[in-house]
Amino acid sequence: SQTIHQWPATLVQPVGSPLSLECTVEGTSNPNLYWYRQAAGRGLQLLFYSVGIGQISSEVPQNLSASRPQDRQFILSSKKLLLSDSGFYLCAWRAGFNSPLHFGNGTRLTVT
Amino acid sequence: QQQVKQSPQSLIVQKGGISIINCAYENTAFDYFPWYQQFPGKGPALLIAIRPDVSEKKEGRFTISFNKSAKQFSLHIMDSQPGDSATYFCAADLNYGQNFVFGPGTRLSVLP
Repeated sequence: SQTIHQWPATLVQPVGSPLSLECTVEGTSNPNLYWYRQAAGRGLQLLFYSVGIGQISSEVPQNLSASRPQDRQFILSSKKLLLSDSGFYLCAWRAGFNSPLHFGNGTRLTVT
Repeated sequence: QQQVKQSPQSLIVQKGGISIINCAYENTAFDYFPWYQQFPGKGPALLIAIRPDVSEKKEGRFTISFNKSAKQFSLHIMDSQPGDSATYFCAADLNYGQNFVFGPGTRLSVLP
């Protein structure tokens, strides 16, 4: 069966520090991969998605970037965090178009 | 046209009652409509989904009703339990689309 791993679960970082969040999927190949952000009590904001290695699409221009160095690995990065980057970051995958989206358990990021 | 509207924003139901959450869309090209359930501190989990060729789908206490002509769909939770207290998101997907379109969410509280 397929599983998605996301780490760390929680992270507290000072303003101006770098960020690296990692997500891996097991049990499938060539998944579509997604990064979402969720502000407290709010909806799901799509940040990036990828349909293949090295292919990244950005939905929202901001302080973050994403990379897909391997088929089942998706990384969210920032060179310098802002206070506004605080939130709940969710990685998700699906097998392809018109198939269910499966989320990881998220990373709670607090920028201080 | 890419929006999914969801109501109510929050809902309080007594144990044993029926919880009803409604969603509406404009884009008639949407052809997959899932519902997600999210508990605090966790990622959303797929609850139930429907395609427009059926008007209703039931899984246990959860039922999706779909009205293609009205471009509306709803989630009914029968015999609501305190353990159902969570945030619920409806979503819509295009057959050729890269990404889901999510509703803003409904926070459900089931009182004991």
